[in-house]
Amino acid sequence: SQQGEEDPQALSIQEGENATMNCSYKTSINNLQWYRQNSGRGLVHLILIRSNEREKHSGRLRVTLDTSKKSSSLLITASRAADTASYFCATDASVLQFGAGTQVVVTP
Amino acid sequence: GAGVSQSPRYKVAKRGQDVALRCDPISGHVSLFWYQQALGQGPEFLTYFQNEAQLDKSGLPSDRFFAERPEGSVSTLKIQRTQQEDSAVYLCASSLLRGVYYNEQFFGPGTRLTVL
Repeated sequence: SQQGEEDPQALSIQEGENATMNCSYKTSINNLQWYRQNSGRGLVHLILIRSNEREKHSGRLRVTLDTSKKSSSLLITASRAADTASYFCATDASVLQFGAGTQVVVTP
Repeated sequence: GAGVSQSPRYKVAKRGQDVALRCDPISGHVSLFWYQQALGQGPEFLTYFQNEAQLDKSGLPSDRFFAERPEGSVSTLKIQRTQQEDSAVYLCASSLLRGVYYNEQFFGPGTRLTVL
């Protein structure tokens, strides 16, 4: 079974717009990570936020974590066509558990 | 090489055949993980090695699945008597360490297994 659930399942935006996706999880965590997966390829680690952190930035990425609501959000600002991919949240309670992902399509 | 490599990239097997999937982790990485990713889903944990020791195999779906890492480097995931529900992408990841504080996992491109 999968720990995280991303919302929405799919997101279509135009270049320059912001993309926001959410992740909810069920059990207590040590940290939460976001990964990106391009079609037919492995996952690439984007950002990690620890359970005692509330917000973290990396380039055009902004991640928030609300442990009281067991939820996280990933914001991609000023999206580019190259951001087209599936995005997964993963929690690390004992082993890394991924959600089903949000498929993001950025059109030029 | 610079990253995690997996072979073969694609494997087609007839139902009942045995298959072996190989993972070459990043040199020096202590931890190695196997995941199964069904179409349209996120990866699901299968098993974890620290060096040659298999510390967690709770995700292996049946006793037809077997993984080894005899010298603490290359790992092989073997599936015996493959069934159609085994069709998936099998991802391998490695990380430098594993402990209370998570270390980034680096993923290979995966092996897409199709069982006919």
